[in-house]
Amino acid sequence: DAMVIQNPRYQVTQFGKPVTLSCSQTLNHNVMYWYQQKSSQAPKLLFHYYDKDFNNEADTPDNFQSRRPNTSFCFLDIRSPGLGDAAMYLCATSRDQNSNQPQHFGDGTRLSIL
Amino acid sequence: GEDVEQSLFLSVREGDSSVINCTYTDSSSTYLYWYKQEPGAGLQLLTYIFSNMDMKQDQRLTVLLNKKDKHLSLRIADTQTGDSAIYFCAGGFSGGYNKLIFGAGTRLAVHP
Repeated sequence: DAMVIQNPRYQVTQFGKPVTLSCSQTLNHNVMYWYQQKSSQAPKLLFHYYDKDFNNEADTPDNFQSRRPNTSFCFLDIRSPGLGDAAMYLCATSRDQNSNQPQHFGDGTRLSIL
Repeated sequence: GEDVEQSLFLSVREGDSSVINCTYTDSSSTYLYWYKQEPGAGLQLLTYIFSNMDMKQDQRLTVLLNKKDKHLSLRIADTQTGDSAIYFCAGGFSGGYNKLIFGAGTRLAVHP
């Protein structure tokens, strides 16, 4: 059974139209992460939540926001998507913030911008 | 800063062993991970090794770690067509939150 679930698998939006991607987990993990992965590149961490504490990476554009209303769900909001934001967005979880806790990934949402 | 490097492409014949290599720069890395990504999918955790270990074996997978040279390898025995994917090496570094530094990924192609 899938433990980190991302919806939808494919999302198409228009240039400048806000879009929200969702992630849910059944692992009851404390930490949830959002990554951006462009074609033929490694995943790039955007931000993560440790419980309710939000941690933004220094180079994450302001256009990207996140919400975590409860332990199970986390959302990625892109306020005004540009063509350069077309990518695969990956959600991951880990039990806590120690480096010995592996991150478990969902299947991703592929975002296209028209 | 931390950096993780991998060769970009590997081609092997079905039934042979595959060896995917990775080097990292930060000696404070405490855990090193291997992830597999099939086309259009997320990352699947394959295995990981703690930095005080030299080797870890898990069925067809063998991870070797040379701490002196900061070199990590993943050996897949009896490689099958279903092993065709991109393999990412990632370092989990101490000193803060659980941030993974990924290599660029090695594309493994398995041919008959």
